[in-house]
Amino acid sequence: DGGITQSPKYLFRKEGQNVTLSCEQNLNHDAMYWYRQDPGQGLRLIYYSQIVNDFQKGDIAEGYSVSREKKESFPLTVTSAQKNPTAFYLCASSTNPGQENGGYTFGSGTRLTVV
Amino acid sequence: SQKIEQNSEALNIQEGKTATLTCNYTNYSPAYLQWYRQDPGRGPVFLLLIRENEKEKRKERLKVTFDTTLKQSLFHITASQPADSATYLCALPDHTGRRALTFGSGTRLQVQP
Repeated sequence: DGGITQSPKYLFRKEGQNVTLSCEQNLNHDAMYWYRQDPGQGLRLIYYSQIVNDFQKGDIAEGYSVSREKKESFPLTVTSAQKNPTAFYLCASSTNPGQENGGYTFGSGTRLTVV
Repeated sequence: SQKIEQNSEALNIQEGKTATLTCNYTNYSPAYLQWYRQDPGRGPVFLLLIRENEKEKRKERLKVTFDTTLKQSLFHITASQPADSATYLCALPDHTGRRALTFGSGTRLQVQP
């Protein structure tokens, strides 16, 4: 079955540590996205990529980094510069969001907690 | 700047009734609007897209309207069931031309049996 896989489901980060969240899709989608979700604040865009080897900052990119070396993969690194990383992280992919069935396909999320 | 507003208070209704959720937006004229369902601890799931030239879209028990004059979309679930209990998010294309969606904070629906 085609889909988008995020791992791990739960991640614990120590102060000053970098961690990487994995996102893999086998939907052959060109575009991939990372959102952060905090209680009561909805989804906020961190980074997005429309094509391999290209990505753009979203609204809250500070303290995060990404790469897009393969079409299927869009990993997110939460660096020590991100002061409040505890949140639910969602990865998504899409073809053309303006098409009838062009809605985003989301992964099941990674819950990151600073310990 | 673009602003999307969804009622932050949970909506509680009885099973069998029609649930109506509201999405209001400002400072923008989007070409389309999308609705998603999100269950606790899960990623959102795409439900429906409605374009600016469409007044209404239906899918099974779901109905979405799009009033570009009021800058508002209404999301209806008819004959609601306890299984419809979830948070419902609306999303619009980014008003700056950035090729990504901007999401509302969602409204939680609770259907009582």
